[in-house]
Amino acid sequence: DQQVKQNSPSLSVQEGRISILNCDYTNSMFDYFLWYKKYPAEGPTFLISISSIKDKNEDGRFTVFLNKSAKHLSLHIVPSQPGDSAVYFCAAYTDKLIFGTGTRLQVFP
Amino acid sequence: GAVVSQHPSRVICKSGTSVKIECRSLDFQATTMFWYRQFPKQSLMLMATSNEGSKATYEQGVEKDKFLINHASLTLSTLTVTSAHPEDSSFYICSASGTAHSGEQYFGPGTRLTVT
Repeated sequence: DQQVKQNSPSLSVQEGRISILNCDYTNSMFDYFLWYKKYPAEGPTFLISISSIKDKNEDGRFTVFLNKSAKHLSLHIVPSQPGDSAVYFCAAYTDKLIFGTGTRLQVFP
Repeated sequence: GAVVSQHPSRVICKSGTSVKIECRSLDFQATTMFWYRQFPKQSLMLMATSNEGSKATYEQGVEKDKFLINHASLTLSTLTVTSAHPEDSSFYICSASGTAHSGEQYFGPGTRLTVT
């Protein structure tokens, strides 16, 4: 049973526009939610996190929104840049990290 | 940010042999280290959690006698794949955490294991 789901396997966005990556979860006991960026054959790189007691966290071009009633979180990247092209994983944490299946973001000029 | 290294980055071994992968936290002391496995186009699956000086905790379905984990110091954890088989071919990634309860982990670059 997949506790963390990313239903969009891929997303294509024009440079300068907003990228919105979505993630749904089923376990209301998760304490933290995190977003990681991953390039092929490399380990994930931490981007941004949010505590379950908050609904928004912003860091530069990255903002994460949490809707606990809907068990949904999203990552907004604005403005999108070609260097943002990668696979993005959301992850949820109680006593361990549980990853979604990832969304491949492609930012084109 | 914190740096985690893995060695080797890729390894090819013959079926039946054992392979050791090292994970090091370079600039911080890792209370806990984690080992993940990633299949192509799939998510990262946690294999085991190790705390320095104690036995690793394995996830359901992971054979502890096949995937030996040693966390001998606060900066080094090793994963040994024993009697490797072609189905063990995968991308293995370690991560380290210096704090508890936030889930923020720093990942190594991964090791590509190919068993022929």
